Amino acid sequence: GDSVTQMEGPVTLSEEAFLTINCTYTATGYPSLFWYVQYPGEGLQLLLKATKADDKGSNKGFEATYRKETTSFHLEKGSVQVSDSAVYFCALSDRGSQGNLIFGKGTKLSVKP
Amino acid sequence: NAGVTQTPKFRVLKTGQSMTLLCAQDMNHEYMYWYRQDPGMGLRLIHYSVGEGTTAKGEVPDGYNVSRLKKQNFLLGLESAAPSQTSVYFCASSYSLGGIKQFFGPGTRLTVL
Repeated sequence: GDSVTQMEGPVTLSEEAFLTINCTYTATGYPSLFWYVQYPGEGLQLLLKATKADDKGSNKGFEATYRKETTSFHLEKGSVQVSDSAVYFCALSDRGSQGNLIFGKGTKLSVKP
Repeated sequence: NAGVTQTPKFRVLKTGQSMTLLCAQDMNHEYMYWYRQDPGMGLRLIHYSVGEGTTAKGEVPDGYNVSRLKKQNFLLGLESAAPSQTSVYFCASSYSLGGIKQFFGPGTRLTVL
């Protein structure tokens, strides 16, 4: 079945460091891919998405490119801030999941000043 | 515009007790979802609804029941709580199934002793 694998955390970075969180997927069709973010004590919020191969999703300085050849959707940010501390979830949606979201296990990011 | 709200925010139950979690959305969304979030497991779909009066099983439906009597409300019931149901429960809604942004509530932290 469909699945999402993302890098284990936690990840601890200093402010202004470069961030990469790896995400790879397995899907039966051509999924849409998402990154959701969960700030402490809150529900998840959509951060960015891409619906077809080679699309790049971007928001708040974060970017991720849908790579069909490597079945990946890695999240990157050039310069992280303390306010980016959160848990990040990679997710997919496709026919194999009846359109429902399949989430990775989440990666906790802590940014130190 | 409150978005997605969940009641209660916290609850402690004893094994065998029953309870109902309420989710409400004011965005006129057709689709609603219940997830559970456990450490190291990401989010897993319990049940979902594609419209008023309809429900469907997700990945981990056992031990839970749901009802969608009104479009804006989606109830999650535990008939006989077990310690394995200790978790954080999130409700979400969307205007379409799959490939579309889901809006999440703030979560309910449930502990079963």
